[in-house]
Amino acid sequence: QVQLQESGPGLVKPSGTLSLTCAVSGGSISSSNWWSWVRQPPGKGLEWIGEIYHSGSTNYNPSLKSRVTISVDKSKNQFSLKLSSVTAADTAVYYCARDTVAAAANWFDPWGQGTLVTVSS
Amino acid sequence: SYELTQPPSVSVSPGQTASITCSGDKLGDKYACWYQQKPGQSPVLVIYQDSKRPSGIPERFSGSNSGNTATLTISGTQAMDEADYYCQAWDSSLYVFGTGTKVTVL
Repeated sequence: QVQLQESGPGLVKPSGTLSLTCAVSGGSISSSNWWSWVRQPPGKGLEWIGEIYHSGSTNYNPSLKSRVTISVDKSKNQFSLKLSSVTAADTAVYYCARDTVAAAANWFDPWGQGTLVTVSS
Repeated sequence: SYELTQPPSVSVSPGQTASITCSGDKLGDKYACWYQQKPGQSPVLVIYQDSKRPSGIPERFSGSNSGNTATLTISGTQAMDEADYYCQAWDSSLYVFGTGTKVTVL
């Protein structure tokens, strides 16, 4: 079964760029799925950041679009997130997830274990 | 932008039925899904396409969606069901999550 694992720095300075990678195992990133990033500030709800298809096509949350770049590396079976100009408001647990689209429905399953990124000097 | 509203909390006695609502404009015209999140853990899909259960999810979890409201029902609630629950839908190329509901099993 597919498993996802996030990795990257746990601490980023304000105005810097947050960079995370999600490694996909047990399946191919070139399958008929999109791949998403979702974040959750401490004690708060979930926010979708964006998604990518293995072809490189992307969709982003309009609220973050100007700062977000999601890319895919098929040779390594992984995809990545970059979020620029970060502030303390970007402190959150960042999850990667596989998103399935079928008959106009969509859902995220499975999810990675999540990684906490703190924005602080 | 599209919004999904859930009650902040729901309390239920063991063995009883818990119902969690998710309200959004014409939500019944879209598909809804539900996630369970226990403290310190990643969300887990419990219902997709309004009412389907993924493999491994107990039959006590069921879902419905009509009008402006999607509902997650937990029948015969167990202590292990105590968690946060989030609904989610897709609108205009944007994935939207509900505000979340904390289910407490008293």
